[in-house]
Amino acid sequence: EIVLTQSPGTLSLSPGERVTLSCRASQSVTSSFLAWYQHKAGQTPRPLIYAASYRANGVPDRFSGSGSGTDFTLTISRLEPEDFAVYYCQYCSPSSPMTFGQGTRLEIK
Amino acid sequence: EVQIVESGGGLAQPGGSLRLSCATSGFTFRAYEFNWVRQAPGKGLEWISYIGGSGGSIMYADSVRGRVTVSRDDATNSLYLDLNSLRPEDTAFYYCARATGGRLPFNYHNYYYMDVWGKGITVTVSS
Repeated sequence: EIVLTQSPGTLSLSPGERVTLSCRASQSVTSSFLAWYQHKAGQTPRPLIYAASYRANGVPDRFSGSGSGTDFTLTISRLEPEDFAVYYCQYCSPSSPMTFGQGTRLEIK
Repeated sequence: EVQIVESGGGLAQPGGSLRLSCATSGFTFRAYEFNWVRQAPGKGLEWISYIGGSGGSIMYADSVRGRVTVSRDDATNSLYLDLNSLRPEDTAFYYCARATGGRLPFNYHNYYYMDVWGKGITVTVSS
């Protein structure tokens, strides 16, 4: 089973800053099955990125994803107040267990 | 409008059972695959189950395998999760999530992700 490790666990930043979140897989994975989600307390998880670098419907272009093999990143180019949330990467394939990373919490500084 | 609505949660005793249901609308249910994801208090998201089209393919996480059964009814556009032998650690918010996939435009590789989620439902296991 693939294990995804996200870092850092928590980030404290200010609106307007640029941030890069990391997701490392325990073995090389197919990048087309790597997704990122945003989750705010009391709300439904929101898909942000699929296939490592494709934005989901309605996602602003300040969000971008990249990576391959074992190392993937989610970048928010300029933080907006509504971006403070928990972010999860996920290996999402219909032929294997679909594990999530443990999440990175983005907090307002 | 695409909608997924979970129901059936609540309080259950350790060792007890619950059936979670997921009612869907606004899309062709039989064309999609589905997953159940949960979040325990203070914890992250945990994938627990997958069901493919027509229920032909099913997967479970190790944490629930043998205690959980996922099923679907394409006639009523509904998804189910039977939780048995409940444990306190099953206490969580449970989400039903639709999965979508296809071919990427440039390299034709298959992609797959959970594109629509229900609002979730609470399951509490306590005596």
